[in-house]
Amino acid sequence: SQQGEEDPQALSIQEGENATMNCSYKTSINNLQWYRQNSGRGLVHLILIRSNEREKHSGRLRVTLDTSKKSSSLLITASWAADTASYFCATTSGTYKYIFGTGTRLKVLA
Amino acid sequence: GAVVSQHPSWVICKSGTSVKIECRSLDFQATTMFWYRQFPKQSLMLMATSNEGSKATYEQGVEKDKFLINHASLTLSTLTVTSAHPEDSSFYICSPSPMGNQPQHFGDGTRLSIL
Repeated sequence: SQQGEEDPQALSIQEGENATMNCSYKTSINNLQWYRQNSGRGLVHLILIRSNEREKHSGRLRVTLDTSKKSSSLLITASWAADTASYFCATTSGTYKYIFGTGTRLKVLA
Repeated sequence: GAVVSQHPSWVICKSGTSVKIECRSLDFQATTMFWYRQFPKQSLMLMATSNEGSKATYEQGVEKDKFLINHASLTLSTLTVTSAHPEDSSFYICSPSPMGNQPQHFGDGTRLSIL
């Protein structure tokens, strides 16, 4: 069964705006990863955040993790049209068996 | 460069055909390989976990006789969809278990279309 729930399911913004996606999960985790998937393509790894970390940055991406609330957020700042994709969070409790969230479909309008 | 190589990327075949999908880890030895399936506009669902030299573990609801998995070496795992039917049409993605607390990488996926 899918462990993660993502919110919103779909998001449409203008180029230059920030996009925020949220992920909630149900059980204790070892780490959480965010992925991007362009339509019909494979997954591209974005950021891994460990359970003892609260925030990580990578370029225009910022990920937060709140283990007390069992939630994570992905912020994309100053979005581009090329950021249009589906974004998924995936969690593992330490077995390398990752469970994926339902995903957020982001559309950035030029 | 690519860490995982998955082949073929796209298959179209007639109902009843068996289709083999290969997944290779390029930069490291993968004792474990995860196979996922993704239907249109849905998330990835784990199908099975293969371990080198032993039988695969299948998730609930996945038919092991339908989806044959072989993990004969530390760099190659294969998924064979036997006697495929239109309802098996999906996007299949593999992912080798990472080393340590490293990111998990995925193959580019195989789009299977059964006519």
